Amino acid sequence: EVQMGESGGGLVQPGGSLRLSCAASGFTFSSYWMSWVRQAPGKGLEWVANINQDESEKYYAGSVKGRFAISRDNAKNSLYLQMNSLRGEDTAVYYCVRAWAKVNEGPPLEYWGLGTLVTVSS
Amino acid sequence: DIQMTQSPSSLSASVGDRVSITCRASQSIGSYLDWYQHKPGKAPKVLIYGAYKLQSGVPSRFRGSGYGTDFTLTITGLQAEDSATYYCQQHYGALTWTFGQGTKVEVK
Repeated sequence: EVQMGESGGGLVQPGGSLRLSCAASGFTFSSYWMSWVRQAPGKGLEWVANINQDESEKYYAGSVKGRFAISRDNAKNSLYLQMNSLRGEDTAVYYCVRAWAKVNEGPPLEYWGLGTLVTVSS
Repeated sequence: DIQMTQSPSSLSASVGDRVSITCRASQSIGSYLDWYQHKPGKAPKVLIYGAYKLQSGVPSRFRGSGYGTDFTLTITGLQAEDSATYYCQQHYGALTWTFGQGTKVEVK
């Protein structure tokens, strides 16, 4: 069974940093693109970042570009999101999502975790 | 950036009804459009990808249509378990993606 388990969320002050982790299982992690998607309280889904299988391609939403960094460790079946210079508007549940094996083949965001809550507040 | 405009923002319908949700892209995105269902406390679930392809395991009462800038998700024979928020999402080019604002569906 494909599973994603996010961790690392919590309360952080504005301007602070946090690193989210996602432990993946039930599939060959190194064969898939991976993504982060977030949902602020009472708001809709917002795509955050994508990373390809060997980390040679990374893409970010404009709202986080230059502040967040996506990475992965295929040996540990893990995905990460380093979040710096955090703002109140970054408060959200962050979802780890398994994306494609090949670009534009199949659904782009197929398997989702349950998310981890990040709260940015003083 | 490609913007996605979804309507309506909410709707209420009865069991057995047919409902439609529309999504409009700010530029042509071909068929690079997907639909997701999200229930509170659960992981979002992909229903339709590539504008009209039904994801494995999704009931056939869900149907996607459209191409270019205008897309529709239709639920025929609405069921109680379809109460959820539905999102469209574009994945056209450059691997930077955007979601619509969401449509909350209440089943009476």
